[in-house]
Amino acid sequence: AQSVTQLGSHVSVSEGALVLLRCNYSSSVPPYLFWYVQYPNQGLQLLLKYTSAATLVKGINGFEAEFKKSETSFHLTKPSAHMSDAAEYFCAVSEGDTNAGKSTFGDGTTLTVKP
Amino acid sequence: GAGVSQSPSNKVTEKGKDVELRCDPISGHTALYWYRQSLGQGLEFLIYFQGNSAPDKSGLPSDRFSAERTGGSVSTLTIQRTQQEDSAVYLCASSLGPGQGNYGYTFGSGTRLTVV
Repeated sequence: AQSVTQLGSHVSVSEGALVLLRCNYSSSVPPYLFWYVQYPNQGLQLLLKYTSAATLVKGINGFEAEFKKSETSFHLTKPSAHMSDAAEYFCAVSEGDTNAGKSTFGDGTTLTVKP
Repeated sequence: GAGVSQSPSNKVTEKGKDVELRCDPISGHTALYWYRQSLGQGLEFLIYFQGNSAPDKSGLPSDRFSAERTGGSVSTLTIQRTQQEDSAVYLCASSLGPGQGNYGYTFGSGTRLTVV
């Protein structure tokens, strides 16, 4: 069984400030973890992924996330927010490359960037 | 194709009618998924196809929902006797299958279903 909890359904930051979106997961096997982004009126796209290699993964648009097994976390960060980062972000977990590739998604976090 | 294609992009239907939603995955992707995204909600898993294996239907909310995947490619999600609570964006995604490297989904743009 697997699950994802995204802490904070809405996060607001000022332009240029640090972005931190929190994700905690539960998985009975070593997980693969993903962040997806959904810009307004667009489909979801993969932002970055952890697949058991380096624990710090870098994605598109300056985002990165760190897999911390001891904390069962996979928080998404960006050092300096840009107005174009305003979107909804989803964390997802799947049970590695075994069984099914089926992912369980969190409820999403809406990021607002203030000028 | 280059991406995951879904049709129609929008569908308005009357309560009680049947609807069919289509998904054309990326060529070579053996895994195909259907999710539902209701207003202000996260993604709800519906069904998963992997190659020729029996599909994982564990997320289908009722027996009014069914899906098939023909020839390991195109998939159709059918909702019979639609209800207002079926109104949502239906998302299709595809990926490489287990053992091929689970590197995340490619999503289609979705079908926005409105039941009136």
